[in-house]
Amino acid sequence: GAVVSQHPSWVICKSGTSVKIECRSLDFQATTMFWYRQFPKQSLMLMATSNEGSKATYEQGVEKDKFLINHASLTLSTLTVTSAHPEDSSFYICSARAGQGGYEQYFGPGTRLTVT
Amino acid sequence: GENVEQHPSTLSVQEGDSAVIKCTYSDSASNYFPWYKQELGKGPQLIIDIRSNVGEKKDQRIAVTLNKTAKHFSLHITETQPEDSAVYFCAASNGQAGTALIFGKGTTLSVSS
Repeated sequence: GAVVSQHPSWVICKSGTSVKIECRSLDFQATTMFWYRQFPKQSLMLMATSNEGSKATYEQGVEKDKFLINHASLTLSTLTVTSAHPEDSSFYICSARAGQGGYEQYFGPGTRLTVT
Repeated sequence: GENVEQHPSTLSVQEGDSAVIKCTYSDSASNYFPWYKQELGKGPQLIIDIRSNVGEKKDQRIAVTLNKTAKHFSLHITETQPEDSAVYFCAASNGQAGTALIFGKGTTLSVSS
C-alpha cells in the first residue's frame, strides 16, 4: 500500500510555543490530505481537510487560527499548532488519498504532542 | 451528515475463534467502507475495504460483508491470533474527492492464547 510519513513522531513543547508537524506522501501524490486528532481510547476526530494549493477546510469547532494548515505541494502538508496549551496535548494523525479517483485513504504513524 | 455506529466496543475471544464487528451507517450516498486496524501508539492501518457495488470481499482470514438495504457492514476475522489484538475502526464515505472518512468509535479486540 501507499506510504504516509509524519515528522516528528513525538514532541514536547512549553505552553505558548508553536509546533509544526509534517505529513508526507512518500510514493504517491495526494491532492487532498486530512488531519485528525485522537484522544486516548477514543476514535479519530477530523480537524480539517487540506487541499493542495488552496485554503484548508476546517471542521466546526476547530480554530483555524490556532491550527494552521499548509498544503504547499502534492506530497506535503503541515499542521502548525500555535500558542500551544496543555489541552492541545493529543495524538495528531494525517491521512492522504491515493491519487485522483482513488478511494483508499492511508494514514501516517501519528505525532504525539505533549504541552507542558 | 453521515453517522457511523460500531458494535461491540470491546470483544474478547480465544485464539482460533472467529471475531465479528458490526457497523451501521446513515447516509445512503455512502459507497465506500474501509476497515482500519490501530495498534497502540500507531496510526490506523487499512486492512480491507469494500465498495457498494459488491456484497462481500475476502482477503485470507479477513472478510467484509455489506448490506446496502439495511445500511450495515461487518468485519469477520477467522482463526484469530494474538497479533490480531488491536483497536478496529470502521468508516464510511461517499467517495467524492475531498470527502473525509467518517469513523465509528472503534472496537478493542483482545485475543487470548
